[in-house]
Amino acid sequence: NAGVTQTPKFRVLKTGQSMTLLCAQDMNHEYMYWYRQDPGMGLRLIHYSVGEGTTAKGEVPDGYNVSRLKKQNFLLGLESAAPSQTSVYFCAGRRYNNEKLFFGSGTQLSVL
Amino acid sequence: AQSVAQPEDQVNVAEGNPLTVKCTYSVSGNPYLFWYVQYPNRGLQFLLKYITGDNLVKGSYGFEAEFNKSQTSFHLKKPSALVSDSALYFCAVRDSSGGYQKVTFGIGTKLQVIP
Repeated sequence: NAGVTQTPKFRVLKTGQSMTLLCAQDMNHEYMYWYRQDPGMGLRLIHYSVGEGTTAKGEVPDGYNVSRLKKQNFLLGLESAAPSQTSVYFCAGRRYNNEKLFFGSGTQLSVL
Repeated sequence: AQSVAQPEDQVNVAEGNPLTVKCTYSVSGNPYLFWYVQYPNRGLQFLLKYITGDNLVKGSYGFEAEFNKSQTSFHLKKPSALVSDSALYFCAVRDSSGGYQKVTFGIGTKLQVIP
């Protein structure tokens, strides 16, 4: 029982490159979230999903896209990375009848 | 719109003393309130939640929090701090009305327990 797993754990990109962050969960979560954590800014919601095939924008969606083709996976994409996207990214999930969020261990992304 | 404010960047407390980490919130409907803790280089871990009922909720590791509707506050407390409680603490809120599923976090408060 792995819980919520994020890959990769670390990544360095050059400006303009693209990448995809994967969040995989085996806890049957209906709801999944992508946050970024920056010093002095706390956690800010990028996008979220309330079920397979559905996604919605959070507070800071610009420059990111997401997909939830399968219930257990929630992908976060950066089409053209910018230095402002240097951050630690966290995925989280929860069941529809349980308010407790389970977090992954994070992805540290640097964009040079 | 929903929001959370954590007015203190850092709280310092001596080991064995009581601790309080402050949180105020703003929602249109009824709030669901949460506290999470983050240890260095780790993801966030759930501590406790308020959904409804008793205003004093108890959580993991001896922490508790008091919901105060009139003051729109949800302060985290512990009667006797441990050095191992030193971490980053986040308050969060979800507006429970209208099927709204966004969970909004505060900026976090660093708790430093001094031996």
